[in-house]
Amino acid sequence: TQLLEQSPQFLSIQEGENLTVYCNSSSVFSSLQWYRQEPGEGPVLLVTVVTGGEVKKLKRLTFQFGDARKDSSLHITAAQPGDTGLYLCAGRGIGANNLFFGTGTRLTVIP
Amino acid sequence: NAGVTQTPKFQVLKTGQSMTLQCAQDMNHNSMYWYRQDPGMGLRLIYYSASEGTTDKGEVPNGYNVSRLNKREFSLRLESAAPSQTSVYFCASSWKFGETQYFGPGTRLLVL
Repeated sequence: TQLLEQSPQFLSIQEGENLTVYCNSSSVFSSLQWYRQEPGEGPVLLVTVVTGGEVKKLKRLTFQFGDARKDSSLHITAAQPGDTGLYLCAGRGIGANNLFFGTGTRLTVIP
Repeated sequence: NAGVTQTPKFQVLKTGQSMTLQCAQDMNHNSMYWYRQDPGMGLRLIYYSASEGTTDKGEVPNGYNVSRLNKREFSLRLESAAPSQTSVYFCASSWKFGETQYFGPGTRLLVL
């Protein structure tokens, strides 16, 4: 099992604030994905990063893949209540096709 | 186009009972997956079917069996439910094995 630790586990912030969540592992991944999951629904893919050091932006969300491809971060600028949800990272091992999911960060944005 | 559908949405079982969770996708995907989600554990892969006619064990297969009934449907069976199997179960599918997965809404299972 390739463990992916996410931090913080829970995060509650006011609308308009910035935040960063982290996804860390001792394993190297060929790619890493970020998902958002809303209550009562399945995860929905936000982004896939493949190259070490890669940065991708999705509106107010910025995703970065670590240089060594062992970690990733998600930064949200000016958080909105619609950003509330469970954020999951998932890594694909080198030479493998299975996804290993992180433990999740539950974000609440208070209006 | 419903995507991935799962039935039932909720289920309560007594220890030792059996049940089958159903999953269907209408996206003509080749690969399908079953995960369980537990607090603090993330999603863990139970079984997957890389293509019609094949199934393989994932990370936590013990206590489960699967059937890839056809290209659309992939079922998960609990032969003798245990309280440790209380969880939320998600089915997912992808065009090819290892590519972007699309998830169903989940089945919430409580085993007493």
